[in-house]
Amino acid sequence: QVQLLQSGTEVKKPGASMKVSCKVSGDTLTDLSIHWVRQAPGKGLEWMGGFDSDAANTVYTQGLRGRVTMTEDTSTNTAYMELSGLTSADTAMYYCATELAVQGILERAFDVWGQGTMVTVSS
Amino acid sequence: DIQMTQSPSSVSASVGDRVTITCRASQPFSNWLAWYQQKPGKAPKLLIYAASSLQRGVPSRFSGSGSGTYFTLTISSLQPEDFATYYCQQANSLPRTFGQGTRVEIK
Repeated sequence: QVQLLQSGTEVKKPGASMKVSCKVSGDTLTDLSIHWVRQAPGKGLEWMGGFDSDAANTVYTQGLRGRVTMTEDTSTNTAYMELSGLTSADTAMYYCATELAVQGILERAFDVWGQGTMVTVSS
Repeated sequence: DIQMTQSPSSVSASVGDRVTITCRASQPFSNWLAWYQQKPGKAPKLLIYAASSLQRGVPSRFSGSGSGTYFTLTISSLQPEDFATYYCQQANSLPRTFGQGTRVEIK
């Protein structure tokens, strides 16, 4: 079955950039729709973006547009999420997740999640 | 953006109780609604997709229903392992917004 293994904990300075990796095993990255979700300490879940089948493209939430880039390296079966211009508000656990496919149809729900990558932004 | 409002924010219940969590949307949509369970320090777990479809491997005491602006997650008989936080998420339009979460606590 599909498994997602994320990169480790990071501590960043304000203004810096971060890049979290999400390595896929058990399937081919090109057959999956990868999304990213973050969760600030003690807070709820926030969808950041991912591949949208209707748009046939990667889409991002408005609040992060211009700072976030989601890419894929098919040679290593790894997805990446890069966030620039970090502030303390970006301190969060970052998750990658795959979109559920039932009989080849994407069901717009996230069935497999990575273990999470904690990123702390602090001076 | 479609805003998702869950109620209650928290609920205290006993093992064996029936628990219903509500998710209201700011705009109506059909069935692109999912429910997740999250335990402390863990990634969310998918319970329900397409408003009422039970994810494979999830116990049948979990059920989902609704359409339009009103959706519910029901746990028919609460078990010790069900004490967690539950989130709804709409995927009808971008951004795919989550509700704020409902914490189910032991009474």
